[in-house]
Amino acid sequence: GAGVSQSPSNKVTEKGKDVELRCDPISGHTALYWYRQRLGQGLEFLIYFQGNSAPDKSGLPSDRFSAERTGESVSTLTIQRTQQEDSAVYLCASSLVGSPSNQPQHFGDGTRLSIL
Amino acid sequence: AQKVTQAQTEISVVEKEDVTLDCVYETRDTTYYLFWYKQPPSGELVFLIRRNSFDEQNEISGRYSWNFQKSTSSFNFTITASQVVDSAVYFCALLNTGRRALTFGSGTRLQVQP
Repeated sequence: GAGVSQSPSNKVTEKGKDVELRCDPISGHTALYWYRQRLGQGLEFLIYFQGNSAPDKSGLPSDRFSAERTGESVSTLTIQRTQQEDSAVYLCASSLVGSPSNQPQHFGDGTRLSIL
Repeated sequence: AQKVTQAQTEISVVEKEDVTLDCVYETRDTTYYLFWYKQPPSGELVFLIRRNSFDEQNEISGRYSWNFQKSTSSFNFTITASQVVDSAVYFCALLNTGRRALTFGSGTRLQVQP
């Protein structure tokens, strides 16, 4: 597709439920990132995928968070037993292969997650 | 450790005024990259510029200009003759070589009044 696509755009769920967020990166982009943006704040890094390498999970806030990526395409971010503090916009970004320093990250519109 | 500080939480200007958004960063690396992103009300983050630490030339793109000064660890962004469409949250971000994720500042909300 032309840009990074995320779904759903909005998700409202009850505390304790599991949620799954989807990201479809730009075709040809092998690097994929998940970030979280709490209301009025900057973005916090969650996890990074690069090709077939082991993902960098250093930003995941707890073991309730996990993410997978199928090859070099779609990624899903799963939050288990959601808590109210998980309410945020979850942003996905992708970039071209090569040193991540040289390539800008292109962001999707995000999924706005609200935990009741 | 790396850190990006955008001390201005919110700025309000009248159309056609010039406005400068401040960004100060901290890093121990000698090689790093700095970015500015725009987040309009619709929510998507739009890439504006990338600058590497070895290139201190200022850059101008239309009404946008960036002033990178390593001596003060600053990478400020100026919009000349602001327009209502410039209203957005602007984020400054830092990427160290060897790291994979951007470190973002908390953003500056710019409101341009007609």
